[in-house]
Amino acid sequence: KAGVTQTPRYLIKTRGQQVTLSCSPISGHRSVSWYQQTPGQGLQFLFEYFSETQRNKGNFPGRFSGRQFSNSRSEMNVSTLELGDSALYLCASSYTGDSNQPQHFGDGTRLSIL
Amino acid sequence: AQSVTQLGSHVSVSEGALVLLRCNYSSSVPPYLFWYVQYPNQGLQLLLKYTSAATLVKGINGFEAEFKKSETSFHLTKPSAHMSDAAEYFCAVSPNYNQGGKLIFGQGTELSVKP
Repeated sequence: KAGVTQTPRYLIKTRGQQVTLSCSPISGHRSVSWYQQTPGQGLQFLFEYFSETQRNKGNFPGRFSGRQFSNSRSEMNVSTLELGDSALYLCASSYTGDSNQPQHFGDGTRLSIL
Repeated sequence: AQSVTQLGSHVSVSEGALVLLRCNYSSSVPPYLFWYVQYPNQGLQLLLKYTSAATLVKGINGFEAEFKKSETSFHLTKPSAHMSDAAEYFCAVSPNYNQGGKLIFGQGTELSVKP
């Protein structure tokens, strides 16, 4: 069974640009969550999607947004990039997102802002 | 609000020695708890999970963790460290109310294994 796939693996952008990251969950998984990982703040929850609906959102500005498609694939978008957005962005999937289900992570997209 | 505290951002052990990584959680009710490992340039891999079935949980690669409600702890142990265990370890809690798909992570503990 293929794992969670995130593309691209690396991205370099400049301040003010926007970026879109993609995540394909494990087959059969309908819940997709996104996290930001930085050395200073650690792993922080961005948002979660289930059946194309955002169910849960972390404490991030509106520049961070996402969506989910009918095949459960998800994208996240960051607009008006800032230097502080440099981070590893991780996507995770589970069957339904219930609290007792472990989340399975992709290898992440490393975003660098110049 | 629920939170997770990992004591010690860096732990160093000798190969063959006991590994003990500490995790304490803050929650008004017993939560669901997880340990993940992250190797350089990779995502997080699930080591084990506690979902109230048994207090001693066995995971992959010889790791286990014991849930102690009285101490609000979920420490990770391995009897004998291998060089391949060098990585960063994260303890996480999943709120057991309507907060689906959300994990709250500790700050992580980097494990070094000396030959």
